[in-house]
Amino acid sequence: DTGVSQNPRHKITKRGQNVTFRCDPISEHNRLYWYRQTLGQGPEFLTYFQNEAQLEKSRLLSDRFSAERPKGSFSTLEIQRTEQGDSAMYLCASSLEWRVGNTIYFGEGSWLTVV
Amino acid sequence: SQQGEEDPQALSIQEGENATMNCSYKTSINNLQWYRQNSGRGLVHLILIRSNEREKHSGRLRVTLDTSKKSSSLLITASRAADTASYFCATDELSSGSARQLTFGSGTQLTVLP
Repeated sequence: DTGVSQNPRHKITKRGQNVTFRCDPISEHNRLYWYRQTLGQGPEFLTYFQNEAQLEKSRLLSDRFSAERPKGSFSTLEIQRTEQGDSAMYLCASSLEWRVGNTIYFGEGSWLTVV
Repeated sequence: SQQGEEDPQALSIQEGENATMNCSYKTSINNLQWYRQNSGRGLVHLILIRSNEREKHSGRLRVTLDTSKKSSSLLITASRAADTASYFCATDELSSGSARQLTFGSGTQLTVLP
């Protein structure tokens, strides 16, 4: 399978714990995005990387959130001191260098439930 | 924040009928994309229409774009039960410079009854 891969697919954690999600993009894609989606809503942009550089962060990405893409390949999204409001699906996506017609491909998402 | 607004929020039709979903947006765009999402799954890219295009077809899908009205429509012809899903429009905004992100609407939940 050469699509965007995310792990774990589901995570249940207690409030206050830290969680980390991993994303493996499509191999030749140099752009990687993280989105968050809550029930009944469309995905909301969190951050994106061009190779290993994190070029933009949304105001939704509080200090408790950190994303890395150390070698320009896979990425991790860590949430520290989780809160119940962090419960959502975290979607990773990747694309080639921006062109008007380039498609952004999404993974299956990682569901987070904070109890 | 959500850029697009899909209309209707929910749509229920019989198998074989056509389904039309609409999307309105607020800012100037480079392109507009439609995605499908089955319950609890990731998003599947359906079709992309550039700002200088007015209509595009892909199989049973037909997308129109009216940049003067800042609106788009997605038509699914001869619907099937397997088309049951949420459909989202997503805009790639001109104001974002190098188009760093997509901005999604809140989606239309389509149910196709067998």
